[in-house]
Amino acid sequence: EVHLVESGGDLVQPGGSLRLSCAGSGFAGFIVSRHSMGWVRQAPGKGLEWVSISYSSGITSYADSVKGRFIISRDNTKNTLDLQMNSRRAEDTAVYYCARVFAASAVDYFDYWGQGTLVTVSS
Amino acid sequence: DIQMTQSPSSLSASVGDRVTITCRAGQSISNYLNWYQQKPGKGPKLLIFGASSLQSGVPSRFRGSGSGTDFTLTIISLQPDDLGTYYCQQSYSSPIFTFGPGTKVDI
Repeated sequence: EVHLVESGGDLVQPGGSLRLSCAGSGFAGFIVSRHSMGWVRQAPGKGLEWVSISYSSGITSYADSVKGRFIISRDNTKNTLDLQMNSRRAEDTAVYYCARVFAASAVDYFDYWGQGTLVTVSS
Repeated sequence: DIQMTQSPSSLSASVGDRVTITCRAGQSISNYLNWYQQKPGKGPKLLIFGASSLQSGVPSRFRGSGSGTDFTLTIISLQPDDLGTYYCQQSYSSPIFTFGPGTKVDI
């Protein structure tokens, strides 16, 4: 069983930067760098929106809505997956979920999820 | 981007009912389709991957089917614990992913 815990959510003003982190734990340890991981967000009362993915191979990808503003990365010293949110907008207000991506088969899927961290962008 | 639609957007059913949720892709996605359940205030939970494969630990009353553009999630006999919102998600266009808008199930 893998447990993922997000942190870093806050009430912030438009513009500027915020960094979210995701730490994992599980049987025999959970080394973030060995797994493909992603971020999915959910605006209040809305559905799920895929944000970004980081494969263990190093390949990264972003949704058009955040491309050029958000950066996904891994901090191997802290064993976390991070999401650097730059140029924040009101529409970035959401609960941000971290998820492990099972990418060893033909079909990629998000098999373990955290409980989410709330980011509110408002002046 | 591949658009995903779901129907119905919400439904109300009784314990023991057979419930069917439909997901449609804007283009053929083979079997690159996954289903998730989300309970209020919680993170999503993977139910079905590859259109029809049951994730470990998920009750066998959940069944997925379909290929190409049309997919179905069936709950054979609805239980009180099945309350929540169900989302389909395509990974055909990986590393770009799309979720459906969700189907809320009330009991």
